[in-house]
Amino acid sequence: DSGVTQTPKHLITATGQRVTLRCSPRSGDLSVYWYQQSLDQGLQFLIQYYNGEERAKGNILERFSAQQFPDLHSELNLSSLELGDSALYFCASSVVAGTNNEQFFGPGTRLTVL
Amino acid sequence: KNEVEQSPQNLTAQEGEFITINCSYSVGISALHWLQQHPGGGIVSLFMLSSGKKKHGRLIATINIQEKHSSLHITASHPRDSAVYICAVRSGNTPLVFGKGTRLSVIA
Repeated sequence: DSGVTQTPKHLITATGQRVTLRCSPRSGDLSVYWYQQSLDQGLQFLIQYYNGEERAKGNILERFSAQQFPDLHSELNLSSLELGDSALYFCASSVVAGTNNEQFFGPGTRLTVL
Repeated sequence: KNEVEQSPQNLTAQEGEFITINCSYSVGISALHWLQQHPGGGIVSLFMLSSGKKKHGRLIATINIQEKHSSLHITASHPRDSAVYICAVRSGNTPLVFGKGTRLSVIA
C-alpha cells in the first residue's frame, strides 16, 4: 500500500458525460501528479500540482481540468467524454515538486466510456 | 522530448532464471525510475537512480549515463515477479516520460 488513495476504482459512463476522479496523497506529500494509461499510448503525464498550485502541464486535453485543494487532495475532471478517454487514470504523490524524488502511485481509476 | 525505448517488449522465463530488461533514452536525464505494474493494474516504484547501481532483494538496477542506458535485473526469478516493468526518465524538472513497458511472465 503506497498510502495514496484514489476513488472510485471503476467508473462506467456514457459519451458526452462528465466525471470527477479523486486522489488523496500520502500524508505529508505536497505534490500530486495525474497520469493517463491507455492501451495504445502507455503512461502519459497529464498535470502536476504542488501545494495547491499548478506546477506542470503535459498532454492534457482542454476537456480535462484538475485542481488541488487546501487539504492537498486533488480532483481530475473529465468532461464531454469520448470513447477514446477510456483508460486507467493514476494519481501519484511526492514530498516536493521539482527535485528528483520518488513518486508513490495510487491504485488507479479505471474509466470506461460506452 | 526524451524518447524512451524498452526491450524486450515481452519476455517469458522459467522460474529461477536470471532476467534482464533494458531501457534506453535519447536525452540526458537527471533521474531514471523503474516501476512495476501488477496484473491488477497497481504501480509500484522499484528504483530511482541517477548513477551507478542499486539493489533491493533480488532486484538490481544499473545505469550508464554516458551510454544513456539502464538495465533491471531479476535474480532467481519467481512466478510472483510476473508483471509489466516500466522505465521512466526525467530531465531536470520536466515531467516523467515513460517507456511502453516490458511484460514479464515467469513460469513455474
